[in-house]
Amino acid sequence: AQSVTQLGSHVSVSEGALVLLRCNYSSSVPPYLFWYVQYPNQGLQLLLKYTTGATLVKGINGFEAEFKKSETSFHLTKPSAHMSDAAEYFCAVNRMEYGNKLVFGAGTILRVKS
Amino acid sequence: KAGVTQTPRYLIKTRGQQVTLSCSPISGHRSVSWYQQTPGQGLQFLFEYFSETQRNKGNFPGRFSGRQFSNSRSEMNVSTLELGDSALYLCASRTTRQPGSGYTFGSGTRLTVV
Repeated sequence: AQSVTQLGSHVSVSEGALVLLRCNYSSSVPPYLFWYVQYPNQGLQLLLKYTTGATLVKGINGFEAEFKKSETSFHLTKPSAHMSDAAEYFCAVNRMEYGNKLVFGAGTILRVKS
Repeated sequence: KAGVTQTPRYLIKTRGQQVTLSCSPISGHRSVSWYQQTPGQGLQFLFEYFSETQRNKGNFPGRFSGRQFSNSRSEMNVSTLELGDSALYLCASRTTRQPGSGYTFGSGTRLTVV
């Protein structure tokens, strides 16, 4: 079965510091990969996705993620954190062979300290 | 372009009652999926509809049902509500059922069962 692991339920960084949120998937066939962000009392907003092609994917709000097949990882990064980045982040995978539905990780709450 | 619209935003129901939630997808999006979000279980897939047909179903009891209309709007129904059904219910739409296509989520309906 498809599964997604997000290492660290809470991550705290200082404003201006590097943001690194980790995501690993378990699948012999690389799935399509997504990062979503959720602000309090809101739905999910797509930050970026990887389907095929370039393994470094750039998204909105200065975020990017790199697909590493050998490490089955899709970590999310941002060079300089902003207070407005404080939210919960979800990694998700999707593939026809696994039911063609989004399977989410447990989420990582990002706190940005001033 | 209007986003995914979910109504109502908040709902309080009593155990044993039933509830209907509504979702209007982005214009042109024919696939509508529903997810349940709880603190304990995270984001879990309920079902997906495409062209008025249920194409995929998650591991939820038969009390959870849904439908899709010819204009792609979707409703989900929960009968005989239980306290554990309290959750944020998210609707997501996408243009096709291609696994790599991104889902756009609505803001959700917060259901509280008392």
